[in-house]
Parts: sequence; structure tokens; C-alpha cells
Amino acid sequence: QKEVEQDPGPLSVPEGAIVSLNCTYSNSAFQYFMWYRQYSRKGPELLMYTYSSGNKEDGRFTAQVDKSSKYISLFIRDSQPSDSATYLCAMSTQGGSEKLVFGKGTKLTVNP
Amino acid sequence: DARVTQTPRHKVTEMGQEVTMRCQPILGHNTVFWYRQTMMQGLELLAYFRNRAPLDDSGMPKDRFSAEMPDATLATLKIQPSEPRDSAVYFCASGLVIANTGELFFGEGSRLTVL
Repeated sequence: QKEVEQDPGPLSVPEGAIVSLNCTYSNSAFQYFMWYRQYSRKGPELLMYTYSSGNKEDGRFTAQVDKSSKYISLFIRDSQPSDSATYLCAMSTQGGSEKLVFGKGTKLTVNP
Repeated sequence: DARVTQTPRHKVTEMGQEVTMRCQPILGHNTVFWYRQTMMQGLELLAYFRNRAPLDDSGMPKDRFSAEMPDATLATLKIQPSEPRDSAVYFCASGLVIANTGELFFGEGSRLTVL
């Protein structure tokens, strides 16, 4: 079993839909949780960052962490075609620029 | 506009040839990572450096892969000899250890095809 599991999709939704992306993990030492977005033929870029359990909201994006269940989520409200990308969850045991363990990524397409 | 620069962007080579990929991290960043991305495995950490010293290369096949940081502006990943199973996109990323977000900045990747 990999340390981080993520459903690769693909996921296809109509514009304006609410999107839910999820990851589970097995290492209880993970404390820092991130979501990266990767457009086709590009490198990943940080979208959301959370520490420990709880919610964090940034515009149309909400990240949730449930450490008791070892489960993290990313919600996208009012999805737009420009949100079409691969979304990767990432985690680390330490803050700062420490090594990240990534999920495989979920490919999302938002159809106009 | 600070960014991580990787060369080459694309490389096609034959099995057994040596491949060298280069990375220029963002100026001032003290941590540099090499990741490999494939459809099957996703993003896998190969090696990383802090202040140019190697911290972890446990993800790297030692018999054929080597990673170095000859100076603060250059990181290299070498494969010798290359094999078809090395075909992947290789990403370099850099970051600053004191940054609260732990954000890594990725280059656009080097797409390697080994025939």
C-alpha cells in the first residue's frame, strides 16, 4: 500500500459544478498537507496549504483535513473550464521545504 | 520573474546512452529536489539537497543514477546507462526551508524517452 492514495479519475463535470477531490494516507506522522495543481505539460504549482486538521478556504477552493480518518479533501465551488488540470495531494512530516509525498493526481475536466 | 529552469525540455535517446539533466533553482532557495513522474507511479522523489549537501537519495537507483549540486545555481541528474524504464518526466523543484508554507517551486520538467 502506498503512503498516499488518490483516485486518478478522470473526473469530468459541467461548468459551475462543485468538485470534490480526496486523498487518504497511512502515515500518521504527516502534519502538513498541500494541494498542487498541474496543467498539461507543466510542473505542479501550489494551490492550498494546511497544517494539521481543519479547514482552509481561499476563494472558490476549500481544503479539509481529517487526521483522525487520515483523509484530506479539496472542494472547488463554481468550477470553471480554467480549473481543468490534474490535482495532486501532497504531504510531509515537517514544515518548511521538506520532502513531499505526492498522490498520483486526479485529472479534472470542467466542460463549458 | 523567478522560476526554476530545466534543460533539456525533451530528450530522446537510445538504451545504454548517458543522459544528463540540468536544473537552475530559484536564486536564494536552499533546497533542491529531483522528482520523476510517470503515469503508473505518479511523482516519486529521487533525491534532494539542502545547502548543496545531499540529504536523501534513497529513491534513486544507485547503480545508474547520480545527482549532484556543483554550485548553488546548478543541480544535475545523470543516468548512465539509460534504460527504457527510465522514460518519464523528470522535475526539479526548489524551496526555502524557512518558508512557512513549505511551497516547492517546480520547473517545467525534462521529458525523457529511452528507446
